[in-house]
Amino acid sequence: GNSVTQMEGPVTLSEEAFLTINCTYTATGYPSLFWYVQYPGEGLQLLLKATKADDKGSNKGFEATYRKETTSFHLEKGSVQVSDSAVYFCALSDDQGAQKLVFGQGTRLTINP
Amino acid sequence: ETGVTQTPRHLVMGMTNKKSLKCEQHLGHNAMYWYKQSAKKPLELMFVYSLEERVENNSVPSRFSPECPNSSHLFLHLHTLQPEDSALYLCASSRETGDSYEQYFGPGTRLTVT
Repeated sequence: GNSVTQMEGPVTLSEEAFLTINCTYTATGYPSLFWYVQYPGEGLQLLLKATKADDKGSNKGFEATYRKETTSFHLEKGSVQVSDSAVYFCALSDDQGAQKLVFGQGTRLTINP
Repeated sequence: ETGVTQTPRHLVMGMTNKKSLKCEQHLGHNAMYWYKQSAKKPLELMFVYSLEERVENNSVPSRFSPECPNSSHLFLHLHTLQPEDSALYLCASSRETGDSYEQYFGPGTRLTVT
């Protein structure tokens, strides 16, 4: 079945550092890919998405490119802030039956001032 | 504030209790979802409702019973739970069940089964 694998956390960086969180997937067909973010005490929020190969999703300084050849959707940000501390989830859409999202296990990111 | 509210935010219950989780969306969406978030495990989809009809049940034990009386409300009725059911239960909604429709999540109910 479809699956998503994220890099293990936790990840700790200093403010203004460069961020990469790796995400790879296994899927049949052509899923859409997503990054969701969960701030402490809150539910998940969509951060960005890409619906086809070579699409780049971007939001709030974060970017991810849908790479079909490497089945990857790595999340990047050039200069992180303390407010970026959260748990980040990579997900893909599963078109088997009713639409649903298949999530990775999440990566906890902590940014120190 | 995503437009999806969940109550209660925290719940402690014994294994013989019966309780219900409530979710309400104020977004005019037609699809609603229940997810389970356990420590160190990926989010697990439990149920999907589209236009108040259940369209997916991901092999969830019968001690979890969903109810969707209208497109704005979703309940999860709980009875005779096990300690391993302790988790964060997240509700989400989307305009339809389709690839291009973003899911909006509530803040979750933190459930502890003693």
